[in-house]
Amino acid sequence: QVQLGESGGGVVQPGGSLRLSCATSGFTFRNYGMHWVRQAPGKGLEWVSFIRFDGSNQYYSNSVKGRFTISRDDSRNTLYLQMSGLRLEDTAVYYCAKTLDAYDTSGHESDYWGQGTLVIVSS
Amino acid sequence: SSELTQVPAVSVALGQTVRITCQGDSLRTYYASWYQQKPGQAPLLVFYGKDSRPSGIPDRFSGSSSGNTASLTITGAQAEDEADYYCNSRDTTANQFVVFGGGTKLTVL
Repeated sequence: QVQLGESGGGVVQPGGSLRLSCATSGFTFRNYGMHWVRQAPGKGLEWVSFIRFDGSNQYYSNSVKGRFTISRDDSRNTLYLQMSGLRLEDTAVYYCAKTLDAYDTSGHESDYWGQGTLVIVSS
Repeated sequence: SSELTQVPAVSVALGQTVRITCQGDSLRTYYASWYQQKPGQAPLLVFYGKDSRPSGIPDRFSGSSSGNTASLTITGAQAEDEADYYCNSRDTTANQFVVFGGGTKLTVL
């Protein structure tokens, strides 16, 4: 069965860095685009970043562009999010999500999500 | 702020029908997908595309789209349907790849 599991969250000071990982199994990882989506405490879902199935393109929300970097290691079936220049407003649960269709046919539909990892930015 | 607009809260009597809407210019080009999220849980895809429901989602969940508005309809709402519901689509306005609506909290009375 498809499984996604995030790790790497924690408490970090403003301006600091953190790398999130999303380990996957149960599907052919290299065929699927992957998203990071976050949710601040008590708030709604916010799309953060997307990487195409072949890693050829990466996309970012305006709020994280230039500070976060998405990447993937198909040999490890793992997605990453390198976060730097962290701000208080980056505090959230970060989810990784798999696109519904292989080869990014549509891109925005996500059929499997991890349980999330909590990032707290605090001084 | 979201480029997809949802009403913050909706309520429905047990067994009745409720429609949750999502408005945005990107919906003229892309179908919305809909996610259910219960407290402490990850989002769950409940409807997507023109007329598709993931395996295991009850058929009381349906979707439709017209112009810049997408709708998720729950016909015969159950107590377990009480949750937050989010729409999303590809983005065509804010130079982002994907955008989410602000979410609608559904209360089943």
